[in-house]
Amino acid sequence: DIVLTQSPGTLSLSPGERATLSCRASQSISSSYLAWYQQKPGQAPRLLIFGASSRATGIPDRFSGSGSGTDFTLTISRLEPEDFAVYYCQQYGSSPLVTFGPGTKVDIK
Amino acid sequence: QVQMVQSGAEVKKPGASVKVSCKISGHTLIEVSMHWVRQAPGKGLEWMGGFDPEDREIIYAQKFQGRVTMTEDTSTNTAYMELSSLRSEDTAVYYCTTLKYYYDSSADRENWFDPWGQGTLVTVSS
Repeated sequence: DIVLTQSPGTLSLSPGERATLSCRASQSISSSYLAWYQQKPGQAPRLLIFGASSRATGIPDRFSGSGSGTDFTLTISRLEPEDFAVYYCQQYGSSPLVTFGPGTKVDIK
Repeated sequence: QVQMVQSGAEVKKPGASVKVSCKISGHTLIEVSMHWVRQAPGKGLEWMGGFDPEDREIIYAQKFQGRVTMTEDTSTNTAYMELSSLRSEDTAVYYCTTLKYYYDSSADRENWFDPWGQGTLVTVSS
């Protein structure tokens, strides 16, 4: 079974800084299967990235995704105040059909 | 664009069942692949199951098999998720979400969940 591991668990940064979030799969997966979501307290998750690197509609270009095989990265080039949230990676397509990572919390330093 | 409105919060006793609804607009249920994801308080996202368009059947996460049933009423455009034999660990916010997919140039299927319902809090307590 595919297990997704995210690191770090918490990332403490200041507005304007660059955030680099990692998602590692226990086995190689197609980059097509990898998506990233943002979740703020009390809200439903929001799609950011699909296919490892394609931004969803309306997502600012400061968000970018990359990676292949077992290592994937979400980068926020310059943090805005509204970007402080929890970020989840997710794969759909390998066994089990759907897996979420445990999340990375980006909080204000 | 699909929009989804879920039913309201529920409080259930251990051993009972809960049925959460998700009414969609903007598309018909036949046109979408509905999935359910839950989130325990302070915890991460956990996929429960949903309709896979390639297998053309509802696939349940192994953890919930035998305890969860996902159904649809196409006449009212409403999807349902029923979880039985509730225990305190089932206390969570339950989300419906639709699977979107796209075949890329390599014929791989890109899959993602969007949009999401607002969530339904289910509290299991004696």
